[in-house]
Amino acid sequence: DAGITQSPRHKVTETGTPVTLRCHQTENHRYMYWYRQDPGHGLRLIHYSYGVKDTDKGEVSDGYSVSRSKTEDFLLTLESATSSQTSVYFCAISERGHNYGYTFGSGTRLTVV
Amino acid sequence: GQQLNQSPQSMFIQEGEDVSMNCTSSSIFNTWLWYKQDPGEGPVLLIALYKAGELTSNGRLTAQFGITRKDSFLNISASIPSDVGIYFCAGPGSNYQLIWGAGTKLIIKP
Repeated sequence: DAGITQSPRHKVTETGTPVTLRCHQTENHRYMYWYRQDPGHGLRLIHYSYGVKDTDKGEVSDGYSVSRSKTEDFLLTLESATSSQTSVYFCAISERGHNYGYTFGSGTRLTVV
Repeated sequence: GQQLNQSPQSMFIQEGEDVSMNCTSSSIFNTWLWYKQDPGEGPVLLIALYKAGELTSNGRLTAQFGITRKDSFLNISASIPSDVGIYFCAGPGSNYQLIWGAGTKLIIKP
């Protein structure tokens, strides 16, 4: 088992509601990432973290915020969900950074109706 | 910006066939990563390459880091049904980001 879990695995929510996705790791890795995967767009980085309380924006960060108050947890929040945020969200962790590859979670399928 | 072009986009394979796919870039990469994604799961790292010319194997999978540092190849020998899925190449971009190819989808011929 890779030591990374995402919750929930599936969620349906209404437009305009806030949503928080959780990524939990037991590997004590420094780096954590949130991606979204959409047909025709592949994997796109939303936000990443390089340490507790250290986060930065990725390629598609608009409409998303993150928090990392503990090494093991990285939360992704959609402040006011929109239909364009319907996607599969993946969390990933890395011990030494992006040069060395990531371990991905199993994903959260989010549907905004 | 940096982009990775993967080909082919999809491949139909018969069990036992060898498979080749590649990834090219207009800019130099210092690392090439190959991932496989099964339906409903996150991508899994198969092989990481760190040196131009490097050839690395993982079971029936072999990947090469091109000499020009602008391409990489992944070969699968004697394919089996569980090889189906989507294969992605990736390389480090700026600001902690990985640049991803669009993927090569392997499908079993009926």
